[in-house]
Amino acid sequence: EDQVTQSPEALRLQEGESSSLNCSYTVSGLRGLFWYRQDPGKGPEFLFTLYSAGEEKEKERLKATLTKKESFLHITAPKPEDSATYLCAAETGNNRLAFGKGNQVVVIP
Amino acid sequence: NAGVMQNPRHLVRRRGQEARLRCSPMKGHSHVYWYRQLPEEGLKFMVYLQKENIIDESGMPKERFSAEFPKEGPSILRIQQVVRGDSAAYFCASSPPPEGNIQYFGAGTRLSVL
Repeated sequence: EDQVTQSPEALRLQEGESSSLNCSYTVSGLRGLFWYRQDPGKGPEFLFTLYSAGEEKEKERLKATLTKKESFLHITAPKPEDSATYLCAAETGNNRLAFGKGNQVVVIP
Repeated sequence: NAGVMQNPRHLVRRRGQEARLRCSPMKGHSHVYWYRQLPEEGLKFMVYLQKENIIDESGMPKERFSAEFPKEGPSILRIQQVVRGDSAAYFCASSPPPEGNIQYFGAGTRLSVL
């Protein structure tokens, strides 16, 4: 069975304190690894897609990396507006996304 | 370009009633997906549809749930004879052809069953 596990479940950061979120996956035939951001009461907002080990993508203070078994979302010098739940999803067959439970990040001013 | 539109945003039903959730994909998107998010759980895939076709319904409960995406109009997720365990947030996503593209999500419908 396809599994996506995210850690830590919750993280409190001081503003400016960089950190990394982990997403480990066990899927047969990974087609892509997705990161989304979800704010309370809203739908997931697309951030990145990674397709092959070694690939990296960046957007503002966020950087996503991919290995054969896990992905990391690095948050550099976070600001309070980076507070959100970050979701990792592995695309398996037939465009299905298998999601982890998320990393809930709170950035304290 | 409007995003994925879901309505209603909130829906309250009593046990045994029917719930109909609507999803209008982004312009130019012909692929629609439904996911369910239970409290304290991650999003779970339910069904993948293209116009007038169900491509993959492997995540859909076998009874009471159905989905369609007609040639004209929005995609509909229908839950018959709702039970308390159906209370959840239901999210729709859409993507453009061909397959393998980014899925963009709507704001969700929060279903509460009394």
